[in-house]
Amino acid sequence: NSKVIQTPRYLVKGQGQKAKMRCIPEKGHPVVFWYQQNKNNEFKFLINFQNQEVLQQIDMTEKRFSAECPSNSPCSLEIQSSEAGDSALYLCASSPQASNERLFFGHGTKLSVL
Amino acid sequence: AQSVTQPDARVTVSEGASLQLRCKYSYSGTPYLFWYVQYPRQGLQLLLKYYSGDPVVQGVNGFEAEFSKSNSSFHLRKASVHWSDSAVYFCVLSASMGYKLTFGTGTSLLVDP
Repeated sequence: NSKVIQTPRYLVKGQGQKAKMRCIPEKGHPVVFWYQQNKNNEFKFLINFQNQEVLQQIDMTEKRFSAECPSNSPCSLEIQSSEAGDSALYLCASSPQASNERLFFGHGTKLSVL
Repeated sequence: AQSVTQPDARVTVSEGASLQLRCKYSYSGTPYLFWYVQYPRQGLQLLLKYYSGDPVVQGVNGFEAEFSKSNSSFHLRKASVHWSDSAVYFCVLSASMGYKLTFGTGTSLLVDP
């Protein structure tokens, strides 16, 4: 069973609405990744953090997407103005070190934008 | 740029039969390669990984994979499948440790009981 906790499991939003999802990484894991998995099983890397600092992110993330991993609080990924194309499974993964030698994935948040 | 191709979207095998799931990658350097499995309504789980050394790596639940630099491949194998192996299997590449992962589009495995 995954020890990376993602909430909510399901999220339904209308176009233009904000969508926010959270991730609690496994205890002691300072590195967190966010990936988007669409219905065709295409994965898109969004952003990763080490502690509270952003390591890498894609351009898409800089526009409508925002993410943070504050200390002593869950990490979060927020879409400011949801679009139909954002409908996907959003996966959070954590790692005990900066290398991705082993990532531990959560169950994901399935976002449906109507 | 790197890419991963899993040519078989769906594979069906009978329980007890052997299995090979194919994976081809494209990357100019030395890749770090992984196989992950995604069971229904569960997160991705790591089966095995390859960094260097012996091209045949062992994983969990009897899975193994063989790296071939000449063929740019990293095929997954299992000698005898069980119905509980039914899941989606993803071949994954990383250009370097700590770098983002590049996923294949997965192979959905169905094991007939």
